[in-house]
This record gives sequence, C-alpha cells and structure tokens, in this order.
Amino acid sequence: AQSVSQHNHHVILSEAASLELGCNYSYGGTVNLFWYVQYPGQHLQLLLKYFSGDPLVKGIKGFEAEFIKSKFSFNLRKPSVQWSDTAEYFCAVNAEGGYQKVTFGTGTKLQVIP
Amino acid sequence: GAVVSQHPSRVICKSGTSVKIECRSLDFQATTMFWYRQFPKQSLMLMATSNEGSKATYEQGVEKDKFLINHASLTLSTLTVTSAHPEDSSFYICSVGRGREQFFGPGTRLTVL
Repeated sequence: AQSVSQHNHHVILSEAASLELGCNYSYGGTVNLFWYVQYPGQHLQLLLKYFSGDPLVKGIKGFEAEFIKSKFSFNLRKPSVQWSDTAEYFCAVNAEGGYQKVTFGTGTKLQVIP
Repeated sequence: GAVVSQHPSRVICKSGTSVKIECRSLDFQATTMFWYRQFPKQSLMLMATSNEGSKATYEQGVEKDKFLINHASLTLSTLTVTSAHPEDSSFYICSVGRGREQFFGPGTRLTVL
C-alpha cells in the first residue's frame, strides 16, 4: 500500500516569500502524484498533477512541483506567495494502473502574513 | 474533468437518528465513486469505494453497517450514517473517479447533537 508524508505541518510566511512544501511517498511501483489546496471553508481544488513526462509540472496560481523519482518526492513550490495563498495543502498519490484510489498526506497549513 | 455535487452541504441531527448524504456526478457517468471523512485540522481518510451496481468496498476499520453506501446509478451514490453519534460529526466528502484521478465534491458538514 502507498503512504504519503508531509513534513511541514504549519508554515508561516510573509508575503513575497518563497514557498517549498515537502512531500514524500512510499510505493514500489509507478505512481500518479497530486497537490490539492483547501481554502478556509471551501472544498478541495486540484493545484497540479503529475502522471508522466517532464518531472517539473506547473499548476494554477503560479504553483509548480518537481517529481524526483530517486527521492520519492514531489515538493510544491511557489516563488512569491500572496496572502490569498493562505490555505491547507495536501499531497496525494495513487498507483498507476490502480483503480484511482488516492492516499492523502496529512496536510500542511500555510499562513501568509501581509 | 467531472463536476460533483453533494447534498446537503450541512446537516445537524440528533443522536440516534440516521442521515443520508447524496453525491451526484453531474456531467459524467461514474462507475466508481469514493467517500472520505475529514476530521477538523486533519487529512482526508478514505472510508469506502462505491461501485455502481455492486457492494461498496470499505477500508479497514470502517463499520459497513454504520456507514451504508448505495451506488444505484451511474450518477448517484449515497452515504447513510445510521444511528449517528456525536463522534460521527465530521466533514464527509465524495469524489468521482475518472481516468487517473478523482474529482471532489464540495463536502457535507455533519453535526450530531
């Protein structure tokens, strides 16, 4: 079975600071990787996803993530955060060829201070 | 993608009663839907996989007699929380599986008094 760990539980940044949220997964086979965002009081939204190809993927709102297979990592980055990025961020993985069952990480709460 | 709705968005019920939550796939015929539970300040935990026309597959530790799932059509799955107790209060989220990913509904906040 796959598992996902997010090392940062709560991150506080000032506006314009750079962001990197760590995500590591554990699974022996090929995986699909996702980052979701949940703004306060709202439902999950997909930020970006990786299936195959270029390991650097770009998502919405200026976010990007890099898949490093050798490190089993899929870290999320943004060069300059805004107050509106305050939210909870979830890394998720499913096994390629599986039936779409997704395992979520524990989430990282990002607080951006104006 | 897929557009997913849930009804109701919020429900408050008394302890001992049953509550039904609907999950609809509005633009896609979904053979597979998923039900998650999210406790405050925690991640989503998969409860069960709902398969159209067959019995749901429950995750370890989830009581199938307490959380009844019915996937009677390709656009509707329902989750019924039977004999609800305050510890069942949570945020319940459904999703539709399509291709390699899932598309999530807006969630239902259940409060059991």
